[in-house]
Amino acid sequence: DTAVSQTPKYLVTQMGNDKSIKCEQNLGHDTMYWYKQDSKKFLKIMFSYNNKELIINETVPNRFSPKSPDKAHLNLHINSLELGDSAVYFCASSQTMGGQTDTQYFGPGTRLTVL
Amino acid sequence: AQSVAQPEDQVNVAEGNPLTVKCTYSVSGNPYLFWYVQYPNRGLQFLLKYITGDNLVKGSYGFEAEFNKSQTSFHLKKPSALVSDSALYFCAGNDYKLSFGAGTTVTVRA
Repeated sequence: DTAVSQTPKYLVTQMGNDKSIKCEQNLGHDTMYWYKQDSKKFLKIMFSYNNKELIINETVPNRFSPKSPDKAHLNLHINSLELGDSAVYFCASSQTMGGQTDTQYFGPGTRLTVL
Repeated sequence: AQSVAQPEDQVNVAEGNPLTVKCTYSVSGNPYLFWYVQYPNRGLQFLLKYITGDNLVKGSYGFEAEFNKSQTSFHLKKPSALVSDSALYFCAGNDYKLSFGAGTTVTVRA
């Protein structure tokens, strides 16, 4: 079984559309994250949730809205997609929040292409 | 705050030779340092981490990393590289969120 899974793997859409990416973890972790990897492979955190509560929100446009229906799921909804949103989005999870020593486990990524 | 830097964009080695991927860090407290590897079109895979204790940390796939406080470095090493080690390697510091270096592309030639 995949520990952290994301759907879809690829997402191609037009500017202005609204899309969602889903993430699920079966590790029993309390904390989940969204990261963005740009075309130069830079990785940057976007959000983190601990047990369904938003903990970190890194200067991300409010077109991006994470939603956590339960602690095993963290979805990312993006409104009014722009060309600059094209990137690979990674979901991750870790055992606890505020655990600087905790290992984060990553999903396979969703490659979003905005045309 | 923690930040890391990977001074080399690319590292090229021949199969069977030692592999070193460099990482330096800057922290205001205790360093918590991680190495991840990303294979083409794949997610990040955890290799190892330094929390405290032994300066030599052993990880997955035969990798190890040496924590050096005086040089503020956490270099990733493998004694004998394989072609299958060709990938993108990230160093990261954890200050309640992972802050990644820019990544180092490793190419191991047969």
